[in-house]
Amino acid sequence: LAKTTQPISMDSYEGQEVNITCSHNNIATNDYITWYQQFPSQGPRFIIQGYKTKVTNEVASLFIPADRKSSTLSLPRVSLSDTAVYYCLVGDQRNTDKLIFGTGTRLQVFP
Amino acid sequence: DAGVTQSPTHLIKTRGQQVTLRCSPKSGHDTVSWYQQALGQGPQFIFQYYEEEERQRGNFPDRFSGHQFPNYSSELNVNALLLGDSALYLCASSFNDHRVNFPQDGYTFGSGTRLTVV
Repeated sequence: LAKTTQPISMDSYEGQEVNITCSHNNIATNDYITWYQQFPSQGPRFIIQGYKTKVTNEVASLFIPADRKSSTLSLPRVSLSDTAVYYCLVGDQRNTDKLIFGTGTRLQVFP
Repeated sequence: DAGVTQSPTHLIKTRGQQVTLRCSPKSGHDTVSWYQQALGQGPQFIFQYYEEEERQRGNFPDRFSGHQFPNYSSELNVNALLLGDSALYLCASSFNDHRVNFPQDGYTFGSGTRLTVV
């Protein structure tokens, strides 16, 4: 069971880069790493997904070391609208019940 | 392109009553998963439907049941409501691509139904 551990909260200022690290020591061979963002009273929104090394899209980067026991979500130049809860998930779609959201990381961005 | 649509957005029920929540998946998606999210907690997986059958189930009692229709839409039913069932119920859809281990763009979530049991 690939349980994840994230910091409960983080603070940042507009324009800074934010890195949120997730630990997943028991990650299985078939598991992918996925990050979601959630605003209050909304459903989570997919941000980025990866299996190994580095993945980048228009909103974030995901860094995964060779042992895959952790991953880091990098948000470049955050704005106030990036204030949200960020969840790290590890799993295989064939075992959806193993996708544990946890309590996530509450990111607060200040002006 | 419409995303995931859930109805109703808010609902108030009395203990012991039954409730039905509805979900229309994103166009092109064939798999629907339901989650319960209590205040301040992460979403908890209830079950997943694919090809009109329950494929996987989380740690929820039999009071929680569901259905998927031929058009891929889905319903979540909760019987004998308890105060502890008060939560945000989220529906997530995806396309079941057997060639990969995970949906390439993750799961698409709806905005949820806020259920309050009094």
